Amino acid sequence: QKEVEQNSGPLSVPEGAIASLNCTYSDRVSQSFFWYRQYSGKSPELIMSIYSNGDKEDGRFTAQLNKASQYVSLLIRDSQPSDSATYLCAVEYGNKLVFGAGTILRVKS
Amino acid sequence: NAGVTQTPKFQVLKTGQSMTLQCAQDMNHNSMYWYRQDPGMGLRLIYYSASEGTTDKGEVPNGYNVSRLNKREFSLRLESAAPSQTSVYFCASSEHMNTEAFFGQGTRLTVV
Repeated sequence: QKEVEQNSGPLSVPEGAIASLNCTYSDRVSQSFFWYRQYSGKSPELIMSIYSNGDKEDGRFTAQLNKASQYVSLLIRDSQPSDSATYLCAVEYGNKLVFGAGTILRVKS
Repeated sequence: NAGVTQTPKFQVLKTGQSMTLQCAQDMNHNSMYWYRQDPGMGLRLIYYSASEGTTDKGEVPNGYNVSRLNKREFSLRLESAAPSQTSVYFCASSEHMNTEAFFGQGTRLTVV
């Protein structure tokens, strides 16, 4: 069974702080990793994709990948109340995307 | 540019009834997927189609069938609905199997 593990939260951070979301996966051969944001009652929306070890930055978002330790993380700088949502980590396993259960993020103003 | 469009948005079925969920994408993607999302369990893959003309089972295929009608359309059929199939269903598509997937707006299905 291919697994993607996330802390369900909720993770609460004050407005303007850095939110750090983590994800671990079970298969070393995975090559593609994605972060999605899902607002309550809405569909998942792609935020970031990352394929290589290291950091990838896009605006206030930074994805970090460490294949040796089998974890991928998402940092959100200058967190805003509008960032409050569930964040889903997705890992490619043999050409299938497997999702974690998601971490609830709450940004307090 | 509509992206991925699912119909219907909401549906209530009685146990034993059948229905088909429709999905269409206009991004010329090769791969399409059906997921279900239940509280606390994340998204689970029901069926997928790597390319036009092919379909394969995902993690939770029992009770479902699919048809890849053409490159644009991928439908999900419940032959005899059960209360355990109450869920939110999402269709998604991607250019290829290991690239970014884009989701439709979801179908909220209740089986009573």
